[in-house]
Amino acid sequence: EPEVTQTPSHQVTQMGQEVILRCVPISNHLYFYWYRQILGQKVEFLVSFYNNEISEKSEIFDDQFSVERPDGSNFTLKIRSTKLEDSAMYFCASGKGGQTNEKLFFGSGTQLSVL
Amino acid sequence: DQQVKQNSPSLSVQEGRISILNCDYTNSMFDYFLWYKKYPAEGPTFLISISSIKDKNEDGRFTVFLNKSAKHLSLHIVPSQPGDSAVYFCAASENNNNDMRFGAGTRLTVKP
Repeated sequence: EPEVTQTPSHQVTQMGQEVILRCVPISNHLYFYWYRQILGQKVEFLVSFYNNEISEKSEIFDDQFSVERPDGSNFTLKIRSTKLEDSAMYFCASGKGGQTNEKLFFGSGTQLSVL
Repeated sequence: DQQVKQNSPSLSVQEGRISILNCDYTNSMFDYFLWYKKYPAEGPTFLISISSIKDKNEDGRFTVFLNKSAKHLSLHIVPSQPGDSAVYFCAASENNNNDMRFGAGTRLTVKP
């Protein structure tokens, strides 16, 4: 069964550094998402992406965050200057599109630790 | 932001019995609800969904009930199996809105 893959599985970085989290969505999917889950808290929506542009973003997704689909297969989340509170599990997800209320397929996540 | 609430952080059930996981929401504009299951070290996986035009949806051992007037939904698993032990997230969205809101999750433990 096709799956969403995320790399790396763990990322440790120093505060103030830039990180790029990578995702390969399912190949025929058109909608892409990033969510995060801070330890012990709920899964939070960050951003959705369709047709090479952001379709929606939450209040969490401020100017230090950006997303890109550089080559038609990868979908990346960049955090420009990481803060301690960015430490979380980041999940990429994709969906076929058409119906925005469809089920999403999630990757296994990247655990980001900001020191 | 507490638009979707799962007030029980954990639930323990004996194998073979029914598991009932509850979810409440505050946004009356939500019209689509989903349940995701999450095992450790894995991303959430879709389990079952329901549109607001229905009050029940069944898929094998899993049934979701929606009570719009109470802004409440529940997931029933019967019979429960040890492999069902996981964290269950309730999620909700509005039509044409990609911002799906998740509850905090309920950790279900099914004991053999």
